[in-house]
Order: sequence, then structure tokens, then C-alpha cells
Amino acid sequence: QVTLRESGPALVKPTQTVTLTCTFSGFSLSTFGMCINWVRQPPGQALEWLALIDWDDDKFYNTSLKTRLTISKDTSKNQVVLTMNNMDRVDTATYFCTRMRVSLVGGVFHYYGMDVWGQGTTVTVSS
Amino acid sequence: SYELTQPPSVSVSPGQTANITCSGDKLGDKYGCWYQQKPGQSPVLVIYQDNKRPSGIPERFSGSSSGNTATLTIRGTQAMDEGDYYCQAWDSSTAVFGGGTKLTVL
Repeated sequence: QVTLRESGPALVKPTQTVTLTCTFSGFSLSTFGMCINWVRQPPGQALEWLALIDWDDDKFYNTSLKTRLTISKDTSKNQVVLTMNNMDRVDTATYFCTRMRVSLVGGVFHYYGMDVWGQGTTVTVSS
Repeated sequence: SYELTQPPSVSVSPGQTANITCSGDKLGDKYGCWYQQKPGQSPVLVIYQDNKRPSGIPERFSGSSSGNTATLTIRGTQAMDEGDYYCQAWDSSTAVFGGGTKLTVL
């Protein structure tokens, strides 16, 4: 059974850096085609993709937030960590990590969708 | 940056067919996904690669994509299908979500 669980501080102050951890089980991030994404959702608003890390340690970021985000993985611990610096009130949201698989067909990556989501961790930015 | 546009809301009567659209430049050339989210819950993948259903997703959910529009179709809509639906696509190795559509079954 594949599960993901997010953890991190519930409350951070403006300008601080937040560190979120995704702990997963049921698969290995070393397996070809495996990826972990971070997605957030402000209260009452739409989903917003933040970052992806894949089995080969390639990293991709939301263009608008790229300068503030860092994603990394610890395969031995089955964890993916996302840090976001210079937090602001508009970053108040529920943060999800998701699993996704990709395949390589004819030299092109095909995405299978984010098939497993964690329950999310809520981060409030307030002084 | 790439954008996906969805209607804010769609209403359907029980047992009827609901169509939720998602528009984006040359969206038909990209693989699209759809997610269902009910209040207080995490999203659930209901369609991937435009028209494939993950295991466990009822057959009444289907997807199509052509040109600039992807469509999620729910046939024989049930009350349990109420919720928010998000389309999502990949553009230059970055993911983009639509703004979401609230499906009401009444």
C-alpha cells in the first residue's frame, strides 16, 4: 500500500523559512520513473503546483516561486523535503505531497498523473 | 506562463451527463489529468493521460482532449460526484492546474 504523509510547522512568522517533510512508504524513489510533487492549496482556492523531484534527482520548480523553493530527497529515509523561504501571509495554505510515475517512450517522458496524495499539512503564516 | 481555464461551476441533475471543460493553448498536444476533490479531503486522480481511468474509478468517468480543450464527462451523475474538479497538464516539465470547477448535482 502506497502512503504519503506531510509534516511541518503549523505556524510560521513572515520572512521565516519553512521546512516541510514528505514521508512515504510502499514504493522506492530510486525506482525508474518515480517522482514526488509538492502542491499547495490556499483556503478556498485552487491547487498550485510547487515542485517535483524524480528518481534521478532531477528537480523542477514553479517558475513564479523558483527562487524561494528547494526540494531534496533522502532515499534511505523515504523522505522528500521542501523548503520555502521568505514566507508571507499569502503562503498560508495546505501543502500536499503526491506520488507520480512517468515513463519514457520514444525519448519523450509520459506523465501518469498524481495518483497518490498525502492528507496535507496546513501552514499558517502570521506574526 | 501556461494557463488552464475552467468554468467556475457546472450543475447537473442526478442521472444526467456532466461535462467539465478545460482550455489551454494546444492542450490537446499535452497529456491532461483530472482530479476530484471533496470538502476537507485530498484530491483524487480520476483521469490521466487524457482518457485513462485509474483502478477504482467508476466507468462513468471519462475524458477526451482535442485542440485547445480537454473535457471530463461524468455519465449518470450521482450525488456522490459533487465536488471540485481540477484539470492539470504539464508544460516544459512544470505542472499547471486549472482554477477548478465546482460540480453541483441537484
